[in-house]
Amino acid sequence: DTGVSQDPRHKITKRGQNVTFRCDPISEHNRLYWYRQTLGQGPEFLTYFQNEAQLEKSRLLSDRFSAERPKGSFSTLEIQRTEQGDSAMYLCASGDRGAGSYEQYFGPGTRLTVT
Amino acid sequence: AQSVTQLGSHVSVSEGALVLLRCNYSSSVPPYLFWYVQYPNQGLQLLLKYTSAATLVKGINGFEAEFKKSETSFHLTKPSAHMSDAAEYFCAVLKAAGNKLTFGGGTRVLVKP
Repeated sequence: DTGVSQDPRHKITKRGQNVTFRCDPISEHNRLYWYRQTLGQGPEFLTYFQNEAQLEKSRLLSDRFSAERPKGSFSTLEIQRTEQGDSAMYLCASGDRGAGSYEQYFGPGTRLTVT
Repeated sequence: AQSVTQLGSHVSVSEGALVLLRCNYSSSVPPYLFWYVQYPNQGLQLLLKYTSAATLVKGINGFEAEFKKSETSFHLTKPSAHMSDAAEYFCAVLKAAGNKLTFGGGTRVLVKP
């Protein structure tokens, strides 16, 4: 069990550019979550997947955001036409509801800076 | 709708002193409750969880929390602070039938030597 991994750890981009982040969950986990954390705040839910199905999306996830989990394993989060307000830490978590514990295990995050 | 309130965005304690971090929740159903710790530029690490078993929950690094339904609270304590406890702590609630965590605003702990 190597834990949840995220790539890249840091991304600096110019306003208007597209960015894509990747999350690799713990291998046996069927649930994958994306959260966003701005400076000095707690994480806020963006979306989650059970296997390859995207089951819920937050209102925070505007049309410029899209998330996929094509084979029920890794997931990608894409932000199109980035804005300065998108600067944040993007956290991925995975969990296995089958175990009945509802725990979510977080990755190290991707810090996005939009200049 | 669920919400989580953490009283005090910053707490300063002396090394060896009691750490007390407050968390109150609102939920229409009995919730699952969690405490996470976050070190600078890192993800969140689970400290402990309440899942409707024992109301006093022990976690890692000497932390524990008590679920009090009558007070809708889930305060986190540690009897003796260590320098390595300096971090940000987040309380979170998970609705029994739902899947997303709702976090409080966090409490940053500073430990003075």
